[in-house]
Amino acid sequence: IAGITQAPTSQILAAGRRMTLRCTQDMRHNAMYWYRQDLGLGLRLIHYSNTAGTTGKGEVPDGYSVSRANTDDFPLTLASAVPSQTSVYFCASSGTSGATDTQYFGPGTRLTVL
Amino acid sequence: AQSVSQHNHHVILSEAASLELGCNYSYGGTVNLFWYVQYPGQHLQLLLKYFSGDPLVKGIKGFEAEFIKSKFSFNLRKPSVQWSDTAEYFCAVDTGGGNKLTFGTGTQLKVEL
Repeated sequence: IAGITQAPTSQILAAGRRMTLRCTQDMRHNAMYWYRQDLGLGLRLIHYSNTAGTTGKGEVPDGYSVSRANTDDFPLTLASAVPSQTSVYFCASSGTSGATDTQYFGPGTRLTVL
Repeated sequence: AQSVSQHNHHVILSEAASLELGCNYSYGGTVNLFWYVQYPGQHLQLLLKYFSGDPLVKGIKGFEAEFIKSKFSFNLRKPSVQWSDTAEYFCAVDTGGGNKLTFGTGTQLKVEL
């Protein structure tokens, strides 16, 4: 059982470059989420998707975009990376978007923007 | 917007010591509360959650947490910690439904032998 996979594991990126972080889940979960984790700030929600074909903005959406073409994949794109986007990015999923559903997290992608 | 405060950023305990990690949130309405844990090199995973009913909830590995509405708190406890409890612990709150969580800044727990 893979659960949630994220790619790449880590990446160093020049400022201004475009980057897509990949997230795939094999649990047939409807809801998916992207968080960033920064020292001293905890995890903050970037974007979410309650079901395939829909997306929404979280707490810190600026500079990021997402798409949800199917149930399994939820890529996060940085159109033009900036150093403040240096962070660890976690993808998560839950069976539904209901508050009772546990979120399952991927292993994270460590991104450094220089 | 709601916020979640974890006042203990780093905690060091000896094995068998008791643990209590504080979590306070700022929202006056109905809340759903969570504790997540991230062991070294592992994914973030759920320890326990509270939605309604008994305010004392029990989770995995002997952890429990108590929801005190009047204090806006959801503190995590364990009577006797083990070296394997070394991890980072995050409190999280959902206030608006839709499972969009607001996380605290985390508490790094180190348990020494």
